Amino acid sequence: SQTIHQWPATLVQPVGSPLSLECTVEGTSNPNLYWYRQAAGRGLQLLFYSVGIGQISSEVPQNLSASRPQDRQFILSSKKLLLSDSGFYLCAWSVRQGQPQHFGDGTRLSIL
Amino acid sequence: KQEVTQIPAALSVPEGENLVLNCSFTDSAIYNLQWFRQDPGKGLTSLLLIQSSQREQTSGRLNASLDKSSGRSTLYIAASQPGDSATYLCAVMNSGGYQKVTFGIGTKLQVIP
Repeated sequence: SQTIHQWPATLVQPVGSPLSLECTVEGTSNPNLYWYRQAAGRGLQLLFYSVGIGQISSEVPQNLSASRPQDRQFILSSKKLLLSDSGFYLCAWSVRQGQPQHFGDGTRLSIL
Repeated sequence: KQEVTQIPAALSVPEGENLVLNCSFTDSAIYNLQWFRQDPGKGLTSLLLIQSSQREQTSGRLNASLDKSSGRSTLYIAASQPGDSATYLCAVMNSGGYQKVTFGIGTKLQVIP
């Protein structure tokens, strides 16, 4: 069966520090991968999606970037965190477009 | 721009009651609609996915319907249980745009024993 892992589960970072969140999927090949952010009182916002290695599309201009160095690995990064980057970050995968998306347990990011 | 609204924002019901959660969307040109549940501090669990050509999907005590022309979906939960307590999210994928998924803010459900 397929599983998705995200880490860390929680993270507290000072403003201006770098960020690296990692997501890996097991049990499937060439999945579509997604990064979302969930802010308090707001719906999930799609940040990035990827249909293959090295193929990243950005939905919203951000202080963030994403990379997919391997087929089942998706990384969310920032060079300098802002206070507004606080939130709950979720990684998801799907077999292909239009199929159900399956989510990881998320990373709670707090910026001080 | 697609907008997804979920009503009510919160709902509290006694155990055993049947209930309906509502989701509305502004752009009817959708590819599919998916219902999720989210437990506090956790990720999302997929419950049901309805393709745009379908009218409803059922899984156990859950039934989701879709009326694309009116921009509405409902999630019906039969014989609610305390374990159903969670936030329920509706997500709409638009056709014509790759992976453009818009989520509602959710309905927070509490089932009281």
